[in-house]
Amino acid sequence: AQSVTQPDIHITVSEGASLELRCNYSYGATPYLFWYVQSPGQGLQLLLKYFSGDTLVQGIKGFEAEFKRSQSSFNLRKPSVHWSDAAEYFCAVGLPRDSGGGADGLTFGKGTHLIIQP
Amino acid sequence: GAGVSQSPRYKVAKRGQDVALRCDPISGHVSLFWYQQALGQGPEFLTYFQNEAQLDKSGLPSDRFFAERPEGSVSTLKIQRTQQEDSAVYLCASSSYRGQVEGYTFGSGTRLTVV
Repeated sequence: AQSVTQPDIHITVSEGASLELRCNYSYGATPYLFWYVQSPGQGLQLLLKYFSGDTLVQGIKGFEAEFKRSQSSFNLRKPSVHWSDAAEYFCAVGLPRDSGGGADGLTFGKGTHLIIQP
Repeated sequence: GAGVSQSPRYKVAKRGQDVALRCDPISGHVSLFWYQQALGQGPEFLTYFQNEAQLDKSGLPSDRFFAERPEGSVSTLKIQRTQQEDSAVYLCASSSYRGQVEGYTFGSGTRLTVV
């Protein structure tokens, strides 16, 4: 079964500093990859996704992520964080339809809680 | 509607009580998912519908959990004889047929507290 690891439970960054959130996955092939953000009391909002092509993908709110097949990683980055970026961030994987897998549901990591220092 | 709507937003149930959680997906979305998110954890898959057909219910934790989507739009997740370990946020998501490529739209969730 596929799995997703987000090794950092909490990350504290100063406002204006750069950010990198780590995500590693375990799966026999390249899955579809997603980053979601969740603010307190809110649902999940899609930041960006990767399924093929250019390994550097751009998302909303100035975020980007880079897929590295050799490292089974899909790290999320932002060059300069804003106080409004404080939230919980989830990496998720999905199985391509021709993989023979089960549901089209996503497998999520446990999340990284981002704290922004003034 | 414009987004995925879930109700109620909050539900407090006494242990042993039955609860019903509602999800109203985006109009026209064929795929509908239920996830359970425990405190401090990522969402975990419960079940999946394509239109009215429940294609996967492998994530339902026990036979006390039951989901339906009789007309292929609104879905209800029912939990019978609630236990304290059922306390969590229950998220609903919907997508068009190509959800795996386009991603999913999530509702704000129902926070269930069993006391």
